[in-house]
Order: sequence, then C-alpha cells, then structure tokens
Amino acid sequence: AQSVTQLGSHVSVSEGALVLLRCNYSSSVPPYLFWYVQYPNQGLQLLLKYTTGATLVKGINGFEAEFKKSETSFHLTKPSAHMSDAAEYFCAVSVPAAGNKLTFGGGTRVLVKP
Amino acid sequence: EPEVTQTPSHQVTQMGQEVILRCVPISNHLYFYWYRQILGQKVEFLVSFYNNEISEKSEIFDDQFSVERPDGSNFTLKIRSTKLEDSAMYFCASSGGRAPTGELFFGEGSRLTVL
Repeated sequence: AQSVTQLGSHVSVSEGALVLLRCNYSSSVPPYLFWYVQYPNQGLQLLLKYTTGATLVKGINGFEAEFKKSETSFHLTKPSAHMSDAAEYFCAVSVPAAGNKLTFGGGTRVLVKP
Repeated sequence: EPEVTQTPSHQVTQMGQEVILRCVPISNHLYFYWYRQILGQKVEFLVSFYNNEISEKSEIFDDQFSVERPDGSNFTLKIRSTKLEDSAMYFCASSGGRAPTGELFFGEGSRLTVL
C-alpha cells in the first residue's frame, strides 16, 4: 500500500518569499504524484502532477515540483509567495493499475504574511 | 468549464438519521469517487464506482454506507444511520478515463454535522 507524508501541517511565509512544501511518499511500485490546493470553502483543485518523463513539473499559479526517486520526495515550490497563495495544500499518490484512487497526505496550511 | 457539483453544501442531522449526499459529476466522466475529511485529518478514500458498480471501497465504507447512480447524472452517497463520527466534509470526484494518469476533479464538498 502507498502512503504520503507531508512535513509541517502549517507553514508561514512572507509575501515574496520562497514557498517550500515537503512531501515524501512510500510506494512499492513507481507512483503517480499530485499536488492539490484547497482554498477556503472550496473543493480540491489540481496544481500539478507527475506521471512519467521529466521529473520537474510545472503547474498553475507559478508552482512547480520535482520528483526525486532516490529521496522518495515530491516537494512543491514557488519562488515568490503571493497573498492569494494562502490555502491548504495536499500531496497525493496513485499507483498504476489501481485506477485513479488517490492516497492523500495530511495537508499543509500556508499562511502568507504581508 | 465543466465542474463537479455537490449538494447540500452543509447538512446538520441527528444521530441515527439517514443522510443522502448528492453529486453531479462531469457529464462525460466514467469514474466516480467519494472521499471524506474529518476536521483536522487527512482526506480519506471511501469508494470508487464504475460501470454502475463499486470498483473499490475502503474499510471505512461499511454496511451503513451505500452509493448509487440512479439516473445517469447524479451520484449519491447514503449514510443509513448516522453516527457522531460521521461528521466530516464529504468530497465527490469524477475522472474521465481508466488511465491512472487521469486527474480527479473534485466538488466543493458537503459538510455533514451529526448531533
């Protein structure tokens, strides 16, 4: 079975500063990896995903993530935080041949300070 | 842009009552899911549904839960006799294809409060 660990349930960054959200996964087979964002009172929206190919993937709103197999990591970054980035971010994994079922991490809530 | 819609957005019910949460998935999608998130906890998989039957369910999805696609557009989650611990945000999601690279599209959730 696969699992996801997100380090830090809360992260506070200053506007304009680097955003770094950590995600480590466990999977017995090469996984597919996702980052979802949840804005207040809204559903889960896909930020980006890694399936195969290039290990650095770019998503919406200036976010990107790098798949590092050796570290079993898929950390999410954004060079310069904006106030509108305040939200909860979820890392998730799915396994080929298991349909699209996602296993989520615990989430990281991002606070952006002016 | 097509979206998954869920109703109600918030429901308050008494323990032991039946609750039905409704979802309208994206119209050409084939796979449907329910997830839940208890306050402060992870988003957890409940059940997936394809071709008018459950394709996978978690250990959370016990006999008090059921899903149905009654009319080709709605996808419902029924909780037969609610318990306090069923209080959570319930998310419906749909997916366009069998390929596991497919993105899940989520609704905005239905918050269930059991008193």
